[in-house]
Amino acid sequence: GNSVTQMEGPVTLSEEAFLTINCTYTATGYPSLFWYVQYPGEGLQLLLKATKADDKGSNKGFEATYRKETTSFHLEKGSVQVSDSAVYFCAPALGGGGNKLTFGTGTQLKVEL
Amino acid sequence: SAVISQKPSRDICQRGTSLTIQCQVDSQVTMMFWYRQQPGQSLTLIATANQGSEATYESGFVIDKFPISRPNLTFSTLTVSNMSPEDSSIYLCSGNRANTEAFFGQGTRLTVV
Repeated sequence: GNSVTQMEGPVTLSEEAFLTINCTYTATGYPSLFWYVQYPGEGLQLLLKATKADDKGSNKGFEATYRKETTSFHLEKGSVQVSDSAVYFCAPALGGGGNKLTFGTGTQLKVEL
Repeated sequence: SAVISQKPSRDICQRGTSLTIQCQVDSQVTMMFWYRQQPGQSLTLIATANQGSEATYESGFVIDKFPISRPNLTFSTLTVSNMSPEDSSIYLCSGNRANTEAFFGQGTRLTVV
């Protein structure tokens, strides 16, 4: 069946380090793909999205590319900041005609000075 | 972006009682969903709130425990019935327009004692 696998955390990085959080999924067809972020004490916010193969979503220095060959949507940032400390969720739209999100386990990122 | 208002933001309830959570969305939202986020966990979809008809529940969730109403396009309620400490979670309402990203309310942090 449809599922999503996300890199386990927690991840601890120094400021300005490179970040990759892996996300792969299984699905029939080509679902829209999303990354959401949950900052400490706050609600869930959309970080970026991609709706078709080879699309690159980007926001706040984060990027993710829709790779249909590998069914992956890895999140990257070239230089993380302390303010990026949060929990990141990969969430492909695997059901409900492309409207229901299936959330990965979430990856907690802590960035230190 | 869509505006999702959810209340209460938090509550502490006695076991055996019920709590109703309200969610108000702006008029551009067509689909509404309810999620649960248990402590330190990812989000799990409870059900799709259907306007004017019974909600569609995911595996493991039943109407008797989580009755949901959606009397019109922009309003929905989730009731957590006969609560036990295991129901302590964050409950989130989300809304999206067809085939676009989902927006989330701030969530309701429920503690059952």
